[in-house]
Amino acid sequence: DQQVKQNSPSLSVQEGRISILNCDYTNSMFDYFLWYKKYPAEGPTFLISISSIKDKNEDGRFTVFLNKSAKHLSLHIVPSQPGDSAVYFCAASTYGKLTFGQGTILTVHP
Amino acid sequence: GAVVSQHPSRVICKSGTSVKIECRSLDFQATTMFWYRQFPKQSLMLMATSNEGSKATYEQGVEKDKFLINHASLTLSTLTVTSAHPEDSSFYICSASFSGVHTDTQYFGPGTRLTVL
Repeated sequence: DQQVKQNSPSLSVQEGRISILNCDYTNSMFDYFLWYKKYPAEGPTFLISISSIKDKNEDGRFTVFLNKSAKHLSLHIVPSQPGDSAVYFCAASTYGKLTFGQGTILTVHP
Repeated sequence: GAVVSQHPSRVICKSGTSVKIECRSLDFQATTMFWYRQFPKQSLMLMATSNEGSKATYEQGVEKDKFLINHASLTLSTLTVTSAHPEDSSFYICSASFSGVHTDTQYFGPGTRLTVL
């Protein structure tokens, strides 16, 4: 039972354009959502998070949007840079435990 | 801030031996530490949650006698894979969270690649 899903295994974007990564969840008990960036053979790096009481959180080039009614969140990266190329995981939290999506490989082309 | 280290980064061992992996929070005191494993091209799967001074809570399907977790202090947790077998080969990652920010934010170590021959 995959409670957190990232339906796009990969995304390719031109440098300078917007990258939009999507994530859907099924458990309405999730109350906090996070995005992590991960390189192969490394641990995930925390990027940005959002509480379930908000619908948007912005930090520099990264913005996370939460649509609770649709149980959907997205990460916008603008402008995208080649250094953003990595695997992006969304994660949802309940009672302090994270459930991760499968990840989306983002490739930003120069 | 919020740096988590793991040691070793890579270990190769013979089947039947035990391997210990250390996870340290370097610049904060971790209220809770978590252990995950990741198989190739798959997501991170939570194995167990540990709080300093108390027994770890294991996820369903994770053998507590095989994966021993000790959270001896607010900055150190260890995972010991006992009597390792080739199917235990995986990428093991720890994370830590602390009070002061949203306690659900976890900061991850760099991971340990375990290969059991």
